[in-house]
Amino acid sequence: AQSVTQLGSHVSVSEGALVLLRCNYSSSVPPYLFWYVQYPNQGLQLLLKYTSAATLVKGINGFEAEFKKSETSFHLTKPSAHMSDAAEYFCAVSRFDQGGKLIFGQGTELSVKP
Amino acid sequence: DAGITQSPRYKITETGRQVTLMCHQTWSHSYMFWYRQDLGHGLRLIYYSAAADITDKGEVPDGYVVSRSKTENFPLTLESATRSQTSVYFCASSERSPEAFFGQGTRLTVV
Repeated sequence: AQSVTQLGSHVSVSEGALVLLRCNYSSSVPPYLFWYVQYPNQGLQLLLKYTSAATLVKGINGFEAEFKKSETSFHLTKPSAHMSDAAEYFCAVSRFDQGGKLIFGQGTELSVKP
Repeated sequence: DAGITQSPRYKITETGRQVTLMCHQTWSHSYMFWYRQDLGHGLRLIYYSAAADITDKGEVPDGYVVSRSKTENFPLTLESATRSQTSVYFCASSERSPEAFFGQGTRLTVV
């Protein structure tokens, strides 16, 4: 079975500060891992994905995440927050043999203060 | 337009009524999915389909019915709506790669 835990339902940072959103996963097989972003009243947009290639994954809008198998983690970071980064972020896991069938974490709402 | 579209975007219905949410994709993706989004739960899988005429239950299938007679369509039906089914519903599609593409969502309120 697979599962995802996102630590912190709400994170608040100042503009220009480091963004760190935490995600830990559980999987009995090598996982595929994803971060999605959701802006208000919109669908989910893929930020980045890990599919067993490089462990440091770069995504859109300056975000990146590092797959750490020993820690079963896939934390999302951005060096300098921008006001436009305020949104809901979801970490998700899937198996290589199940298409896009995703197991999501509970989500983390990111607020950015001026 | 290319992509994945859901209709309606907003729906209010009464308890006990049947309601169908529509999902249409233009990519001819094999896989299609229905998720519901609730505060504190993230997104939970209701049903999914690996191809036309092949569907399977997800994590929270009770009270829902799906069908997939054509590759591009994957409607979700609430047979007898309950207040607990008030939620935002997302349809998604993917090919054999693990990346899924999401629609804009349908906000359903059951009163």
